[in-house]
Amino acid sequence: GENVEQHPSTLSVQEGDSAVIKCTYSDSASNYFPWYKQELGKRPQLIIDIRSNVGEKKDQRIAVTLNKTAKHFSLHITETQPEDSAVYFCARAPKGGSEKLVFGKGTKLTVNP
Amino acid sequence: NAGVTQTPKFQVLKTGQSMTLQCAQDMNHEYMSWYRQDPGMGLRLIHYSVGAGITDQGEVPNGYNVSRSTTEDFPLRLLSAAPSQTSVYFCASSYSASNQPQHFGDGTRLSIL
Repeated sequence: GENVEQHPSTLSVQEGDSAVIKCTYSDSASNYFPWYKQELGKRPQLIIDIRSNVGEKKDQRIAVTLNKTAKHFSLHITETQPEDSAVYFCARAPKGGSEKLVFGKGTKLTVNP
Repeated sequence: NAGVTQTPKFQVLKTGQSMTLQCAQDMNHEYMSWYRQDPGMGLRLIHYSVGAGITDQGEVPNGYNVSRSTTEDFPLRLLSAAPSQTSVYFCASSYSASNQPQHFGDGTRLSIL
């Protein structure tokens, strides 16, 4: 499948600040966009996802925005905490194909106390 | 429910050896997938299955075989291990309804000497 570009590759913020990670894609057939958090040595865990008929979704301190026209989507974490430190992966799925996720290369987020 | 269970957790092989990585899920998910994770590369799809008896290739299928004889199990076979297959392998599963989130197992850390 076509790649997902994820930026930045590393991000360091102070506790309480916001963090934003952006992903871009080129396959216009993509219509499902999950975000995973992976702590060191652990499995990827779904933290939020968005489908193409929605522009924004929020879950407490986490939000995802989707711009289908520009083909990019972003993860926003507000009021960051040290336990938010992890690697975050964006992914896209082709239409009806969540079993065939294409992942970005990840962003290592460090939240400094 | 145990979720997605992968065995073994760690394995060291010699070049040329074969082995099977096991994956089982107890959530009655139709879709199952295998990914490999290499440093700085994100997760890449190896093979996937949309139901018992149906498998297909992902982005990096060479050197791997799969089968899906039951809904619960989706083993990944390395035919003749090569050092390039040193990686962390994750199995994931999801419901078949459109755009359902994938749930990951804990991974198998495989080293090929």
